[in-house]
This record gives sequence, C-alpha cells and structure tokens, in this order.
Amino acid sequence: AQSVTQLGSHVSVSEGALVLLRCNYSSSVPPYLFWYVQYPNQGLQLLLKYTTGATLVKGINGFEAEFKKSETSFHLTKPSAHMSDAAEYFCAVSDQGAQKLVFGQGTRLTINP
Amino acid sequence: GAVVSQHPSRVICKSGTSVKIECRSLDFQATTMFWYRQFPKKSLMLMATSNEGSKATYEQGVEKDKFLINHASLTLSTLTVTSAHPEDSSFYICSARGGTDSNQPQHFGDGTRLSIL
Repeated sequence: AQSVTQLGSHVSVSEGALVLLRCNYSSSVPPYLFWYVQYPNQGLQLLLKYTTGATLVKGINGFEAEFKKSETSFHLTKPSAHMSDAAEYFCAVSDQGAQKLVFGQGTRLTINP
Repeated sequence: GAVVSQHPSRVICKSGTSVKIECRSLDFQATTMFWYRQFPKKSLMLMATSNEGSKATYEQGVEKDKFLINHASLTLSTLTVTSAHPEDSSFYICSARGGTDSNQPQHFGDGTRLSIL
C-alpha cells in the first residue's frame, strides 16, 4: 500500500525567505507524485507533478520539487516566499496501476510580513 | 483548461433532507470522477471513485446507500447525501480526471460546505 508523510503540519516563514515543505512517500512500485495547494474554503489546485523523466519538476507560482528515489522524498521548495503563498499544501502519491491518489495530512504554510 | 465546477458551494438544511451536489468538467471529458470528504484542518478522505456509465466504487466504511453517486455522462457526476444528519456536515470536494491513466492529475472543484441543522 502507498502512503505519504508530510513532516510538519505547520510551517512559518518570513516573506522573501525560502519555503521548504517536506514530503516522503512509500510505494512498492515507481510512484507518481503530486503537490496540490488549497486556499480557504476552496478545492485543490495542482502545483506540479512527477511521473517519469526529469527528477526536478517546476510548477506554477515559482514552486518546484525534486524526486529523490534514494530518499523516497518529493520536497516542495520556493526560493522566495510571497504573502499570497499562505495556504494548505498537500503531497499525494499514485502509480501506474492505481485509480486513486493517496494524500498526506497537509502542511499549513504561514507567511510572516 | 481543465476546469471543474462544483455546485452548490454551500448548503444549509434541516436534518432528514436529501442534498444533491453536482460536479461538472467544463472543458474536458472526465472518464473518472472522485468524491472526497474533508474534516476541519484534516486531509481529504476519498469516499468513492466513479467511472462514466459504471457503478461507483466506494471506499471501506462509506455507506453506498447513504451517499448515492451517479456518473451518467462524461461531464457530470452527482453526489446525493440521503436523509442527511448533523454528523454528515462536512466539506465535500469532487475531482475529475480525463482518461484512465493515473499519471494524469485530478482537477478539483471548489467544494461544497454542507451544514445540517
């Protein structure tokens, strides 16, 4: 069975600082990995995904994530935080044979002015 | 592209009422749609997966007679909460995926906040 662990339910950074949201996964087959963002009272918006190929994936809003098989990680980063980045972030895993996504517990990102 | 519209965004109703939530893919054909429930400050809990023209597949512990799912076309799925009670109050989110390949991302609606009095 697949699983996702997001380290840190709450991350707080200053505006302009580096954002690092951690995600580790467990999968017995090559995974497909996704990061989604959720703003209050809204659904989820896809930030980026990794399926195959280049392990460094660039997404929207200046975010990127790197798939590291040896570390079973897919951490999300952004060089410089903006106030508008404050939201809940979810990491999710799937695979070629799976119908569904398995989500992590989410990380709430707060940006301090 | 890949817009999913969910309606209504908020419902407040009395206990015992049945509530229907619609999920539409506006600019793509959604072979597969998913229904999630999200509790406050929690992650998404998958309730069921529906493929167009087939019966939905429910996750363990989800009452299929309580949460009726219909996916009659490639652009519309509905979730009906039958005889809703206060414990059914929650944020319900649908998502849709074009095709059957799981490397394709799910696109989410904006959710429906259901409050049962």
